[in-house]
Amino acid sequence: EDQVTQSPEALRLQEGESSSLNCSYTVSGLRGLFWYRQDPGKGPEFLFTLYSAGEEKEKERLKATLTKKESFLHITAPKPEDSATYLCAVRFSNTGNQFYFGTGTSLTVIP
Amino acid sequence: EAGVTQSPTHLIKTRGQQATLRCSPISGHTSVYWYQQALGLGLQFLLWYDEGEERNRGNFPPRFSGRQFPNYSSELNVNALELEDSALYLCASSGGINQPQHFGDGTRLSIL
Repeated sequence: EDQVTQSPEALRLQEGESSSLNCSYTVSGLRGLFWYRQDPGKGPEFLFTLYSAGEEKEKERLKATLTKKESFLHITAPKPEDSATYLCAVRFSNTGNQFYFGTGTSLTVIP
Repeated sequence: EAGVTQSPTHLIKTRGQQATLRCSPISGHTSVYWYQQALGLGLQFLLWYDEGEERNRGNFPPRFSGRQFPNYSSELNVNALELEDSALYLCASSGGINQPQHFGDGTRLSIL
């Protein structure tokens, strides 16, 4: 059973059309949830860390929120340069420092 | 501040050969992680090194191995290469157990 699930797999938005990406996890004992952005042919670029339910982080057009079993990455008025794959990773209390990654959401923003 | 650097960028091998991939972490980071990202799949955890010791390994066969040097740089070795080993191999480093991992741009390994 997958421990970290991201949805949707792919998302196409018009420029300026806001939306949200979801990351849900099934194991208890969360020790951190991490959002990354990955461009084609590049390594993941760190965006945010969330540690507890209710926490929120913002950066430009991105806002990440965390509940007890899922996180949302809200994208407000996206631009074409926001097109990328967005990955979330979770660290659980019984896994040392191992991160479990979801398979990502591929976002395309159309001008 | 220099980020995580990996070499080579691309590596082409044939079945049965051995591959060595290298990683230099961000200055001050003592932990290095290796991941495999095959086409269409998520990042699969391979190995974690900290202070020169292997701390954890993922569900990969023993022909995937590595080491960490005194300067915290790391090598990933893959022996007896198989076609399904073709993937992007990513290295990450972190400054502590609860800190985010920062990634290099990877080595693209192609097995012919």
